[in-house]
Amino acid sequence: RKEVEQDPGPFNVPEGATVAFNCTYSNSASQSFFWYRQDCRKEPKLLMSVYSSGNEDGRFTAQLNRASQYISLLIRDSKLSDSATYLCVVNVEDSNYQLIWGAGTKLIIKP
Amino acid sequence: ETGVTQTPRHLVMGMTNKKSLKCEQHLGHNAMYWYKQSAKKPLELMFVYNFKEQTENNSVPSRFSPECPNSSHLFLHLHTLQPEDSALYLCASSQDRPGTSVYNEQFFGPGTRLTVL
Repeated sequence: RKEVEQDPGPFNVPEGATVAFNCTYSNSASQSFFWYRQDCRKEPKLLMSVYSSGNEDGRFTAQLNRASQYISLLIRDSKLSDSATYLCVVNVEDSNYQLIWGAGTKLIIKP
Repeated sequence: ETGVTQTPRHLVMGMTNKKSLKCEQHLGHNAMYWYKQSAKKPLELMFVYNFKEQTENNSVPSRFSPECPNSSHLFLHLHTLQPEDSALYLCASSQDRPGTSVYNEQFFGPGTRLTVL
């Protein structure tokens, strides 16, 4: 089983719609969770951290479910510029510098 | 953005060549990383340098040799590579606090797209 698993997509979504995708992780000692965004042929950039209580940043909402070991990302009122690959990232306790990355979910917003 | 720069951006090399990838960070960070990104696969951490000392080496083949002369510069020396080493090589940096497991955001360079013939 992969340590961090994501649906590779692509998710084809019309502009203005709401889209959500999940990421599951296998290590129950996972401590910190993040969503990174990677545009085509560009480097990954931090989108948002995921807190236990859930958090929102504009149109983006991240949730953590420790019992079921998954995190989610919800994008409301999607824009064409949201088209990208979204990478789920997990930091495991006692592994200071090692982030475990998912392979990413590709999102395509269509006009 | 010029926080983390990488050169060259593209590299084509034969299996018998020797080349080096360069990374420079202008963010005053104390940790630097090399990652390998292959198509449709997760980022693979290769090496970590914290305070100029290598702290992680994820069983990377010896044909990849890192060098960190100071906290701002990181090199990846390549020799006798294999075609399966073709990938995007990403450098990242972060500001880490020793003795804690607090994660700080990693900032990535644009990457070097490597093709091994």
